[in-house]
This record gives sequence, C-alpha cells and structure tokens, in this order.
Amino acid sequence: DAGITQSPRHKVTETGTPVTLRCHQTENHRYMYWYRQDPGHGLRLIHYSYGVKDTDKGEVSDGYSVSRSKTEDFLLTLESATSSQTSVYFCATHDLGAQETQYFGPGTRLLVL
Amino acid sequence: DAKTTQPTSMDCAEGRAANLPCNHSTISGNEYVYWYRQIHSQGPQYIIHGLKNNETNEMASLIITEDRKSSTLILPHATLRDTAVYYCIVRVPYNQGGKLIFGQGTELSVKP
Repeated sequence: DAGITQSPRHKVTETGTPVTLRCHQTENHRYMYWYRQDPGHGLRLIHYSYGVKDTDKGEVSDGYSVSRSKTEDFLLTLESATSSQTSVYFCATHDLGAQETQYFGPGTRLLVL
Repeated sequence: DAKTTQPTSMDCAEGRAANLPCNHSTISGNEYVYWYRQIHSQGPQYIIHGLKNNETNEMASLIITEDRKSSTLILPHATLRDTAVYYCIVRVPYNQGGKLIFGQGTELSVKP
C-alpha cells in the first residue's frame, strides 16, 4: 500500500554501533511515521514527520533520531544501538484528506546483540 | 486521544460473521473511530473508519452506537485469512494533532 518500502528488511548488529533504517514512499504523502513493535506493547510511535525537514517526537523517542530531506524518504537512526532496541520497526505514511488513512510498510526486523 | 477497550481474543467459525466489539466511553465529539488489523509479521492494514454514522466497505462494516461510546467491527463472512490482531483506535483529525495510538487489540482466530 502507498508504495512503501523499508530497507533493510532484516539486520543484525552489535551493541554500540550506529544503525540507519530507511523508509521510502512513492505516493508523495506529506506525513511519515516510525513505529516499533514489541511483544506485549503493540505498536509505539517513535518519531514522525509532517513535511520535509519537519519532524517531532513520539512516545518512545529516546535513543532515536530521524531525518527527512526529501518527501519520499524518512530515515530512522539509532546512534548507538542497545539490546533494548531489538524490535520490529514499521514505517507509515498518509496525506491529509477525507480518508486520512495511514498505510504501513512491511517492517524491518532489527536484532542488537 | 481517547483510550479503547477490546477483548483480548475471540474465535469465529469460518463463513460466519465475526463481530469485534470496542468500548471508547471517553470519546470526544471530533474523534474518529478507526479499525486496523495486523496479520502475523506484516504491517498493520487499514480496514475502515467512521465518525457518527455506520460505515461499510468491501472489507467490513462499522457499527457505532448512537452515544458513540462503543462500536462493533463486523466481518460478514470470516475466512481463515482474516485471522489477525484487530485494533480499534480513536483519534482526532491529523490536522488537529491526532495520532494513531495502538492498544493491545483483539486476536481473532477464524477456525475451520
């Protein structure tokens, strides 16, 4: 849906290393979101963007940063990965309008050893 | 954004209607009711949403009570592929600061 791709789809890394996840969309949607999903917690919002260079924090933003230099790309960076950041990360997009439907990407599975 | 309460799990026989309830007793007048589902390991999928009136699309029907304090998602003829976690979410429009806040959802198991 909404032409959302995430890369990489799977990643294993070591504690303390930087990691960048990419979300790419082809629908020219203004809003983009990063969520993480962990057992027992459902999906939790990390950061979101309401336009190029416009971003804001979600409920679990500590340890994460984001950047949006182009409409189609939203990057999530873990500056120094920790084991607690092992999770499945989902990107989502939407645009304003009558539906305001948020579309989700396929997810990235990250394992921090 | 108002909170929602859903049963943790439900079973449904294949071919029968699946009725998934959701309580949102603190919903505000400008908050919409959204339903998403998540099939194992996939990203959440939008199903339907509504404000006051009942809604129907190719996937499901949404019945909202007159006082808007609860709603029911109806899958008219459940199939095995409808087995998923279903999330009921209420939120204000995005241009008013609304965000999707996911709870634990209802795990629906459709059985042969």
